[in-house]
Amino acid sequence: QKEVEQDPGPLSVPEGAIVSLNCTYSNSAFQYFMWYRQYSRKGPELLMYTYSSGNKEDGRFTAQVDKSSKYISLFIRDSQPSDSATYLCAMSLYSGGGADGLTFGKGTHLIIQP
Amino acid sequence: DAGVIQSPRHEVTEMGQEVTLRCKPISGHDYLFWYRQTMMRGLELLIYFNNNVPIDDSGMPEDRFSAKMPNASFSTLKIQPSEPRDSAVYFCASSPVTASQYFGPGTRLTVL
Repeated sequence: QKEVEQDPGPLSVPEGAIVSLNCTYSNSAFQYFMWYRQYSRKGPELLMYTYSSGNKEDGRFTAQVDKSSKYISLFIRDSQPSDSATYLCAMSLYSGGGADGLTFGKGTHLIIQP
Repeated sequence: DAGVIQSPRHEVTEMGQEVTLRCKPISGHDYLFWYRQTMMRGLELLIYFNNNVPIDDSGMPEDRFSAKMPNASFSTLKIQPSEPRDSAVYFCASSPVTASQYFGPGTRLTVL
């Protein structure tokens, strides 16, 4: 069993829909949780960063962490075609993900249909 | 700031050849990370440095892989000899001590 599981998709939704992306993990020691967006042939870019359980909102994006269930989610409201990309969840044991390596899910390929 | 810079962007080589990938981190970042991304395995950490010192190289797949960071503004990842299964996109990332990692554009390596 991999440490982080993520459905690879593709997930196709119409423009304007609410998108839900999810990851599960097995290592209860993970404390910091991140979502990265990766466009085709580009490097991952950080979208959201949360510590421990709870919700965090940034514009159209909301990240949720449920440590008791070892489950994290990213919600995208009012989805746009420009949101079409691969979304990678990532997590780390210490600090804010800067001081140790990240463990990534394999990514979910999201397609927003105009 | 130009962000993390990687070179070359694309590399095609033949099996058995030596390959050197290069990275310039963001100025002032104390940590540098090398990752490899494949369709089968996703994004995997290979090695990371703190203040030019290797901290964790447990992700380096074999002795054919080596990484160095001779100064704060430059790092290399070397594969010698290269094999077809090394074909992947290699990313370099850097970060300050308490913030998340910033990734470069990657080097797409193809070993024939």
